[in-house]
Amino acid sequence: EIVLTQSPGTLSLSPGERATLSCRASQSVSSSYLGWYQQKPGQAPRLLISGASTRATGIPDRFSGSGSGTDFTLTISRLEPEDFAVYYCQQCGSSPYTFGQGTKLEFK
Amino acid sequence: QVQLVQSGAEVKKPGASVKVSCRASGFIFTNYYFHWVRQAPGQGLEWMGIINPTGDVTTYAQKLQGRVTLTRHTSTSTVYMEVTSLRADDTAVYYCARRDLRGSFDSWGQGTLVTVSS
Repeated sequence: EIVLTQSPGTLSLSPGERATLSCRASQSVSSSYLGWYQQKPGQAPRLLISGASTRATGIPDRFSGSGSGTDFTLTISRLEPEDFAVYYCQQCGSSPYTFGQGTKLEFK
Repeated sequence: QVQLVQSGAEVKKPGASVKVSCRASGFIFTNYYFHWVRQAPGQGLEWMGIINPTGDVTTYAQKLQGRVTLTRHTSTSTVYMEVTSLRADDTAVYYCARRDLRGSFDSWGQGTLVTVSS
């Protein structure tokens, strides 16, 4: 089983700042089958990034993903108020399709 | 537009079973794999299992093996998730999700709260 470890657990920032979220895998994720999701309270998760770096339909270009192998990053270039939420990475290359434990992005 | 609509909240006693449905619309149902994911209160996301487009191949998380069954009906464009021998720690919101071409989950149902309590 591939274990995904996200850091930091909580990130306190202000609107307009840049956010950098990390996801490290216990073994290489095949073919960059790495996705990032955003979840707000009471809502289902929403796909932001698939294939490590491809924005999903309708996702603003302030969201970007990078990385390969075991180290992946989600960057939000300039935080908007609606970006404060919990973010999960997930590997979908080999079963079980594990999620990271999440990073909570909160207002500073 | 792509929609996944799940059945309503359930309250079950320990030892009972629950079956949650997920009705798809806005796309060709038989072209897609579906996953199920659950989220216990205040916790993260836990992958449960996947069913292939024809419904004859399923893979389950080892933790749930033997207690969870995924099925699908093409005629109604509906996917089902059944959990048996429910325990208190099965209390969670259960989500269905469609798998996209890159393997990610590009559309999600609204979630179904299953509460297990005596």
